[in-house]
Amino acid sequence: DQQVKQNSPSLSVQEGRISILNCDYTNSMFDYFLWYKKYPAEGPTFLISISSIKDKNEDGRFTVFLNKSAKHLSLHIVPSQPGDSAVYFCAATPLEYGNKLVFGAGTILRVKS
Amino acid sequence: EPEVTQTPSHQVTQMGQEVILRCVPISNHLYFYWYRQILGQKVEFLVSFYNNEISEKSEIFDDQFSVERPDGSNFTLKIRSTKLEDSAMYFCASSRDRGLYEQYFGPGTRLTVT
Repeated sequence: DQQVKQNSPSLSVQEGRISILNCDYTNSMFDYFLWYKKYPAEGPTFLISISSIKDKNEDGRFTVFLNKSAKHLSLHIVPSQPGDSAVYFCAATPLEYGNKLVFGAGTILRVKS
Repeated sequence: EPEVTQTPSHQVTQMGQEVILRCVPISNHLYFYWYRQILGQKVEFLVSFYNNEISEKSEIFDDQFSVERPDGSNFTLKIRSTKLEDSAMYFCASSRDRGLYEQYFGPGTRLTVT
């Protein structure tokens, strides 16, 4: 099931710089998109979301961009901090179908100090 | 800050045994979910539960699985006869309602079937 793809398994950035995590989806029924952060041995932690009627949502250091025509979204973290080092999951849901989230495989972000 | 809790954190069971995984969702949330993550694989949706009934279930959620909200606070996942391939992290989640509401996840229960 490749409906949500995160093609970069890992990303390494310098502290203070921008981290850009990418996600592509194939299912045009998806209308709500979320980013989660996960540390080992913990559950996913909600970061930020965006509905399909918007193209940008911002919350502090985190901004999510949605390009519906390209079926692409990205998460920008500015400035990146060492505590941001974690696995980042993109998830999407077709709201009509029970709010089930379809997850990408995740991207490991390492922020170097 | 309210959070989803899960017990136990780790459960070891023998193949064929029944297990019950327990979750306490956030108190004012109405929508509840179970997901699982097999080691090295994606997080997968199992089931969503709303208004005391299953709202949606995946093809993984076969007759061996059941969910219940036995009281006003707990939400359980039962696996009737465990198989080796049921070994995974099981995550419970809840959201305030259906629609544009984020899901909050618990810390997970690691189920090991031997």
